[in-house]
Amino acid sequence: TAGITQAPTSQILAAGRSMTLRCTQDMRHNAMYWYRQDLGLGLRLIHYSNTAGTTGKGEVPDGYSVSRANTDDFPLTLASAVPSQTSVYFCASSDSTGGSLNEQFFGPGTRLTVL
Amino acid sequence: SQKIEQNSEALNIQEGKTATLTCNYTNYSPAYLQWYRQDPGRGPVFLLLIRENEKEKRKERLKVTFDTTLKQSLFHITASQPADSATYLCALDMGSASKIIFGSGTRLSIRP
Repeated sequence: TAGITQAPTSQILAAGRSMTLRCTQDMRHNAMYWYRQDLGLGLRLIHYSNTAGTTGKGEVPDGYSVSRANTDDFPLTLASAVPSQTSVYFCASSDSTGGSLNEQFFGPGTRLTVL
Repeated sequence: SQKIEQNSEALNIQEGKTATLTCNYTNYSPAYLQWYRQDPGRGPVFLLLIRENEKEKRKERLKVTFDTTLKQSLFHITASQPADSATYLCALDMGSASKIIFGSGTRLSIRP
């Protein structure tokens, strides 16, 4: 079982360009999340989705958008990248349906540098 | 707003000793408190979860305690080994998808 995959592994992007970070899970989890991890700040939630067709804003949503067309995929789009979006991005999923604990499964991360 | 703090950025201990990591939070108690391990260049991996009505949870050499009066969780690794060297993250789980807050982590180094 692959779990969660993310693509690309790393990317250098010019400021002002757009980019989509891809995330796919094969665990049929209902909930998916995007975090960014910066030194000294820990993991911060960008957007989340409780189920296919719904999304919500996390702690730091500005400059990012997401969609959840189906259970497995949860792409994160930067419409016009800025240097402050340089970070490591992690996608995660969890089974948060009734009776389940909210243990999160993380992907390997995408290292994004915006110049 | 809810805040979470892990006691130190880095902790160095001798192999065989018990490592103790601290996680403190402010305001109201979470439904659950989770601990994760993160190795360099990788995503976090879930280790243990403790509920607000539980005092202690164990898994092999790991032990987690949860004191809602002190608003603190302690994470212990007994008989520590160099392979336990990693960053450990605590996370408050308020019981909904949008309400999981991670600490910035403690980097643990176990020297032989």
